[in-house]
Amino acid sequence: EIVLTQSPGTLSLSPGERATLSCRASQSVSSSYLAWYQQKPGQAPRLLIYGASRRATGIPDRFSGGGSGTDFTLTISRLEPEDFAVYYCQQYGSSPAITFGQGTRLEIK
Amino acid sequence: QVHLQQSGPGLVKPSQTLSLTCAISGDSVSSDSVAWNWIRQSPSRGLEWLGRTYYRSKWYNDYAVSVKSRITINPDTSKNQFSLQLNSVTPEDTAMYYCARAPGAAAAVDVWGQGTTVTVSS
Repeated sequence: EIVLTQSPGTLSLSPGERATLSCRASQSVSSSYLAWYQQKPGQAPRLLIYGASRRATGIPDRFSGGGSGTDFTLTISRLEPEDFAVYYCQQYGSSPAITFGQGTRLEIK
Repeated sequence: QVHLQQSGPGLVKPSQTLSLTCAISGDSVSSDSVAWNWIRQSPSRGLEWLGRTYYRSKWYNDYAVSVKSRITINPDTSKNQFSLQLNSVTPEDTAMYYCARAPGAAAAVDVWGQGTTVTVSS
């Protein structure tokens, strides 16, 4: 099973700043089958990025994903107040198992 | 637009069976281009994928190793829904349970149900 480790655990930033979140896999994620989700309190996760770098439908272009192999990043170019939430990475390439990272909490500084 | 509506009890006694149903609108459980998943979330275990069912000329199921001996996911084509059964539950199975769609067997989850809080307690 591929283990995903996210860092940092908590990121404290101000609106307008740039956020960079990291996701490291214990082994290579095939075909960049790596996704990022945003979760706000009381809500289900929302898909932001799939295929490591492709934005899901309706996701603003301030969100971008990158990386390959074992190291992936989610970047939010300029933080808006609604971006403060918990972010999870997920790999879906190692059939049959799908695994998630433990999450990064993005909080207002 | 695809919508997933979950139903099922929020309280289950230890050693009994947890049963949840996910009704699909806007898509078909028998579609040969999607997979139907169950995922749970708890403070201690985070987000945990439990398993999925999908149709590719015949029905397939994949389950997480952690629950493989206790889980069954079944499609119901007559009602366009799928279900989760988790046997022999313990308090460790207390979690928010989500049904979810992935547009492919190797695809990210793009639609989630509303979630069902399940507590295992006597």
